[in-house]
Amino acid sequence: AQSVAQPEDQVNVAEGNPLTVKCTYSVSGNPYLFWYVQYPNRGLQFLLKYITGDNLVKGSYGFEAEFNKSQTSFHLKKPSALVSDSALYFCAVRDDNNNDMRFGAGTRLTVKP
Amino acid sequence: DAGITQSPRHKVTETGTPVTLRCHQTENHRYMYWYRQDPGHGLRLIHYSYGVKDTDKGEVSDGYSVSRSKTEDFLLTLESATSSQTSVYFCAIRPSGRAYEQYFGPGTRLTVT
Repeated sequence: AQSVAQPEDQVNVAEGNPLTVKCTYSVSGNPYLFWYVQYPNRGLQFLLKYITGDNLVKGSYGFEAEFNKSQTSFHLKKPSALVSDSALYFCAVRDDNNNDMRFGAGTRLTVKP
Repeated sequence: DAGITQSPRHKVTETGTPVTLRCHQTENHRYMYWYRQDPGHGLRLIHYSYGVKDTDKGEVSDGYSVSRSKTEDFLLTLESATSSQTSVYFCAIRPSGRAYEQYFGPGTRLTVT
């Protein structure tokens, strides 16, 4: 069965600094990896995905994520954080043998001015 | 929110009463999902549907049932609500032709007293 770990409950960065939100995964087949963002009192919004191809994937709002097969990681990154990036971020995984998606527990990102 | 509506948006109910949550989509997507979101657990899949009258269990299906008699509606029923079912419930769809993504509704906050 697939699983996801987000080792940090909370990440704090200063505006303008680079940010990283970490994610590691476990699957039995080929991984399909996703990042979602949740703003207060809203549903999750899709940010980006890795299915196959280039290990660096680019998504919405200037976010990108790097797939590392040897480390089974899919960390979310942004070169310069904005205060408006403050939200709850979820990593998710499914493999090609399953219909369902497994989510991590979430990481709360706070960007301070 | 990807053309997905959920009703009600908020509900308070008493232990032991039945509760039905509705998810409605307007774009004829085949796949629909119900998740619950709890602090420290992220999102966990309750049930999903892959067509009218075709449903399957997810990770945390005990105490929940679902029905899908029309493509546009996916109902989640708590037969006899318990306090452990206090949560935020999200419906999601998988867009047709985009098999690796899910898009979420705005959520229903359910409190069982």
